[in-house]
Amino acid sequence: GAVVSQHPSRVICKSGTSVKIECRSLDFQATTMFWYRQFPKQSLMLMATSNEGSKATYEQGVEKDKFLINHASLTLSTLTVTSAHPEDSSFYICSADRDSDGYTFGSGTRLTVV
Amino acid sequence: KNQVEQSPQSLIILEGKNCTLQCNYTVSPFSNLRWYKQDTGRGPVSLTIMTFSENTKSNGRYTATLDADTKQSSLHITASQLSDSASYICVVSAKRGNKLVFGAGTILRVKS
Repeated sequence: GAVVSQHPSRVICKSGTSVKIECRSLDFQATTMFWYRQFPKQSLMLMATSNEGSKATYEQGVEKDKFLINHASLTLSTLTVTSAHPEDSSFYICSADRDSDGYTFGSGTRLTVV
Repeated sequence: KNQVEQSPQSLIILEGKNCTLQCNYTVSPFSNLRWYKQDTGRGPVSLTIMTFSENTKSNGRYTATLDADTKQSSLHITASQLSDSASYICVVSAKRGNKLVFGAGTILRVKS
């Protein structure tokens, strides 16, 4: 089955610094990957759709310059949280699958900005 | 508007007991419905997937049902175990290329 790997699982960074989260499809090629954010006791909220070789599509209200997405290959998408602030602290999850529907999720990244 | 509503919001049951979680949706045109289990601090893991023509799908102690006419689904957990404690999320997909619609989830706690 499809396997999506996400790294790191946890990261703590200082305010003002940038953090990169990686999402890899291990056994398939993913032209499309999805990035979600999840607050405690809430469901996943789609942030953006990452398209290989082209610009990401961001959901309304998500700052493009704050959350940089790079999908440079068919197996890797990265999300960079730039100039992080404490309010960016959250659980970030990526997803992908062979049919580009995004049914397989990564294990998530817990970001804490101090 | 495409929506997925789950009930109850949270549930506490004793180990060994059964429980049923509900999911109602208004997503159209319907493609498929999936139930996911999400452990705390982890990504969601797929339990079952059901298309329009399927009424029941089982995965071990998990059994999902789908009534496409009333747009309702349920997830039945048999002989619950402590490891079943998690959030269970109902996710509905419209036609290919459309975004997934997530329910808010049901938080299940199994206690001994």
